[in-house]
Amino acid sequence: AQSVTQLDSHVSVSEGTPVLLRCNYSSSYSPSLFWYVQHPNKGLQLLLKYTSAATLVKGINGFEAEFKKSETSFHLTKPSAHMSDAAEYFCVVSDRTGRRALTFGSGTRLQVQP
Amino acid sequence: GAVVSQHPSRVICKSGTSVKIECRSLDFQATTMFWYRQFPKQSLMLMATSNEGSKATYEQGVEKDKFLINHASLTLSTLTVTSAHPEDSSFYICSASRALSGGLSTDTQYFGPGTRLTVL
Repeated sequence: AQSVTQLDSHVSVSEGTPVLLRCNYSSSYSPSLFWYVQHPNKGLQLLLKYTSAATLVKGINGFEAEFKKSETSFHLTKPSAHMSDAAEYFCVVSDRTGRRALTFGSGTRLQVQP
Repeated sequence: GAVVSQHPSRVICKSGTSVKIECRSLDFQATTMFWYRQFPKQSLMLMATSNEGSKATYEQGVEKDKFLINHASLTLSTLTVTSAHPEDSSFYICSASRALSGGLSTDTQYFGPGTRLTVL
């Protein structure tokens, strides 16, 4: 069984300040981990993916995430927030077996203040 | 690359009618496609997994006779909501995994833009 916990349902930052969105996971297998972003009434866009290579993963739009097995965490960061980053962010785990089903976290809404 | 489209983007129908939603992988072949449902301000809930040429696998609690899924080709899956009722109103999102050799697929899913269904 696998699960994902996003520790904050809502994060608010000022434009130009760092972003930290927290995610903890639980998996019986060596997981693949993803961060997706969803803008209002839109589908999901893949930000980045971890698959047991480098523990620091760089994604699009300046985002990156660090896989920490000892802490079972996969937090998403960005050095400087932009207004266009305001959206819903989902941390997702795949069990990498069978039908490759994804388990989604509950989401974190990022608000960026001018 | 890895673009997934959905059609229609928005549909309004009367209670009791059936609605078909198409999901297409535009620039890759998808062995496996997934259908999700998302309620307002909530996360995505997996409804079913479809593999090309075989029957879909439904999640527990999802009525397979109500949500008919067909995955007729490596680029097209359809979801038909039969005899729709107001409680079926939701945002439906599909995703697709790129096919690999040997009938496998990657575990990265590429998502469509979603279909907003409103049943009156």
